[in-house]
Amino acid sequence: DTGVSQDPRHKITKRGQNVTFRCDPISEHNRLYWYRQTLGQGPEFLTYFQNEAQLEKSRLLSDRFSAERPKGSFSTLEIQRTEQGDSAMYLCASSVSTGKREGHSYEQYFGPGTRLTVT
Amino acid sequence: GENVEQHPSTLSVQEGDSAVIKCTYSDSASNYFPWYKQELGKRPQLIIDIRSNVGEKKDQRIAVTLNKTAKHFSLHITETQPEDSAVYFCAASRSGGSYIPTFGRGTSLIVHP
Repeated sequence: DTGVSQDPRHKITKRGQNVTFRCDPISEHNRLYWYRQTLGQGPEFLTYFQNEAQLEKSRLLSDRFSAERPKGSFSTLEIQRTEQGDSAMYLCASSVSTGKREGHSYEQYFGPGTRLTVT
Repeated sequence: GENVEQHPSTLSVQEGDSAVIKCTYSDSASNYFPWYKQELGKRPQLIIDIRSNVGEKKDQRIAVTLNKTAKHFSLHITETQPEDSAVYFCAASRSGGSYIPTFGRGTSLIVHP
């Protein structure tokens, strides 16, 4: 499977615990995005990487959330001291940018998501 | 920041009818408008997109129109089939680096056989 993969697919945790999710983008994609999706809503942007650099973070991303992409390939999203309000689907997406105007690919390819339930 | 409104939230049609989903956006600098289809329990997938230098784009049974002046864009699906049943999301983004889309809240399309 050459698409975006995410692990785990489901995570149930107790309030106050820390959780970490992993995203493996399509191999040649240099851009990686994290989103959160709750029932009845569209994906909400959390953060974005170009290669290993984290270039943008949403104000939705509280200080309990941290994301890394250490080698510019896979990424991890950690949530510390989880709260019930963190229950959601966490989606990762990747895209490619050549840096040239005519070479831009705008399409984002989404992973299957990690469904987090905080009890 | 950008704000995208999407209507209706639910759309029920008979097989073979047309379906139209409408979105408005607030940031006049937005210039890329993708539409995603998300089937139950699956990932969102791009079905069509349009850039601001184009007013309309078609791909078989689906088409998207864009009115930059009014800041609205629409998805049109003709000859609907039961497999078109899904949640459809519109989004708006602008070039200048990140192409981070702001999504609408989604439209649940139900096509009755």
